[in-house]
Amino acid sequence: EAQVTQNPRYLITVTGKKLTVTCSQNMNHEYMSWYRQDPGLGLRQIYYSMNVEVTDKGDVPEGYKVSRKEKRNFPLILESPSPNQTSLYFCASYPGTSWDEQFFGPGTRLTVL
Amino acid sequence: GEDVEQSLFLSVREGDSSVINCTYTDSSSTYLYWYKQEPGAGLQLLTYIFSNMDMKQDQRLTVLLNKKDKHLSLRIADTQTGDSAIYFCAESSGTALIFGKGTTLSVSS
Repeated sequence: EAQVTQNPRYLITVTGKKLTVTCSQNMNHEYMSWYRQDPGLGLRQIYYSMNVEVTDKGDVPEGYKVSRKEKRNFPLILESPSPNQTSLYFCASYPGTSWDEQFFGPGTRLTVL
Repeated sequence: GEDVEQSLFLSVREGDSSVINCTYTDSSSTYLYWYKQEPGAGLQLLTYIFSNMDMKQDQRLTVLLNKKDKHLSLRIADTQTGDSAIYFCAESSGTALIFGKGTTLSVSS
């Protein structure tokens, strides 16, 4: 089954404690991205990657890092989380041809205390 | 930059039609999309329309596109309680989909 998986699905942490949210896709998609969703703000792109070792900033990259060492995985790293990063995070992948083939992960709800 | 605007809330009664409106700014978008997000779930692509079309119908869903006014709408006929969700319109912009803030549709029985 074609899918994007994220882990963990829920996380509560404290300010400053480094964390990683993993994202994996099994569709051999070249393009992956991370979004955050906040009430009244919709989805905003954090980072994206057009292929292995190719990453670039989206609209709200501050406080986040990503890496793309292999095609299937695109982890989101918060080196020093802060309360304003409390949000719902979605990973997505798409083959780079048409956006209707974009798959979203189930989401990770992060709370930073 | 690109921007997508939607009203935030819509409340309808079961059996009525729902119309969710959206305006966008990037006239070069090839496709425009509607996503549905049910409570606690991820985003599900509902439908999309190619920019050279005026209308697309898919069962209870009708998408209307007014390219001149950069206005997109989603009509849900015979709205059911299971249609209660957040609906996002989105336009494609190179390396990302640009999403609106989402319209929360509440359906009462």
